[in-house]
Amino acid sequence: GENVEQHPSTLSVQEGDSAVIKCTYSDSASNYFPWYKQELGKGPQLIIDIRSNVGEKKDQRIAVTLNKTAKHFSLHITETQPEDSAVYFCAARRGGTSYGKLTFGQGTILTVHP
Amino acid sequence: DAGVIQSPRHEVTEMGQEVTLRCKPISGHDYLFWYRQTMMRGLELLIYFNNNVPIDDSGMPEDRFSAKMPNASFSTLKIQPSEPRDSAVYFCASSFIGEQFFGPGTRLTVL
Repeated sequence: GENVEQHPSTLSVQEGDSAVIKCTYSDSASNYFPWYKQELGKGPQLIIDIRSNVGEKKDQRIAVTLNKTAKHFSLHITETQPEDSAVYFCAARRGGTSYGKLTFGQGTILTVHP
Repeated sequence: DAGVIQSPRHEVTEMGQEVTLRCKPISGHDYLFWYRQTMMRGLELLIYFNNNVPIDDSGMPEDRFSAKMPNASFSTLKIQPSEPRDSAVYFCASSFIGEQFFGPGTRLTVL
């Protein structure tokens, strides 16, 4: 089955700096890669996603890049703010008969210091 | 729409007791997922349904766990008998060809 590795497990930055979180996946048939943000006491919430026919996607201060050949994808947050502090999860999903099932990385605890 | 609704939000029970977690997915969504989150194991998929039919239950830890989806607007996850190692946050999520929307979770503590 699919295996998703996420690094780093913790990340501490100063407000205004950039933050980068990286994930690798094992299943070359995976074609959908979402990123979720989980705040304390809440369920994960989708912040951005990318499909395998696209190399990069941006949404304001957040961007995701995908390298299909190397089977890795990254989340980039620019101009970080204290409210960006949360746990971030990457995930991967293959199409076809396994449509719907996401495999999650272990999560990254991001702390943004004012 | 109110989003995915889970109940109860917190459950404290004693070992050996039956526990039932409930989920109401977003109207119109055809996929429903049950996840378990712990510090040690992260976010694990337990089982998911498509159009009320279980598709993959390979993540269900053992026979003590069972899940049902009698209709498109309701699902349950039951643990019988419960054990202390079942203590975790259990999330329900639903989707319709794309983004999975998570509920607020049920924090289960088994003493």
